[in-house]
Amino acid sequence: TQLLEQSPQFLSIQEGENLTVYCNSSSVFSSLQWYRQEPGEGPVLLVTVVTGGEVKKLKRLTFQFGDARKDSSLHITAAQPGDTGLYLCAGVKGGGKLIFGQGTELSVKP
Amino acid sequence: DTAVSQTPKYLVTQMGNDKSIKCEQNLGHDTMYWYKQDSKKFLKIMFSYNNKELIINETVPNRFSPKSPDKAHLNLHINSLELGDSAVYFCATRGEGPAQETQYFGPGTRLLVL
Repeated sequence: TQLLEQSPQFLSIQEGENLTVYCNSSSVFSSLQWYRQEPGEGPVLLVTVVTGGEVKKLKRLTFQFGDARKDSSLHITAAQPGDTGLYLCAGVKGGGKLIFGQGTELSVKP
Repeated sequence: DTAVSQTPKYLVTQMGNDKSIKCEQNLGHDTMYWYKQDSKKFLKIMFSYNNKELIINETVPNRFSPKSPDKAHLNLHINSLELGDSAVYFCATRGEGPAQETQYFGPGTRLLVL
């Protein structure tokens, strides 16, 4: 059973454009995380959001956790080629168990 | 001084063979995981160990057997390899205290079963 729906699965944009990735679930999570994975490497944690309605910023990346703690979004402003990669959202369950979304493959062309 | 390391990085083998993947961490964390990432990049947890004890087993076939000889190592042994086992396998550890929400992933082992 897929608990986290992530969209879009693929995104190809030009440098300088803005984009938003969505992560939706029917389940409530204690927290939600966003990871970035580059080719040939493991995922690296970008952020953890814990409180419903929480907004966190990491330079040009803005992460939001829904009020009901079931959904989240990642917004990138003025995307750069260095942002290219696979973005994964993950809901955190008990014992640190992560439930991942399908991932969004982002390609930013110069 | 890689925090989480895996060997080998690439593994190509024939169907029916038995193989092992090794994971070592130098972070001193108690909790370690194995994940499987399929060809569509979907990442799913397989096992979790805490201080050498199995905590999570996500209905993985019995052909997969994790072994933790000590707190710094969590190896994955796979018997009778099948075509569907082809994937990237990631080892990860979980931070503690203020960083307990953070998981640190290894670089992955790319397994191809022919």
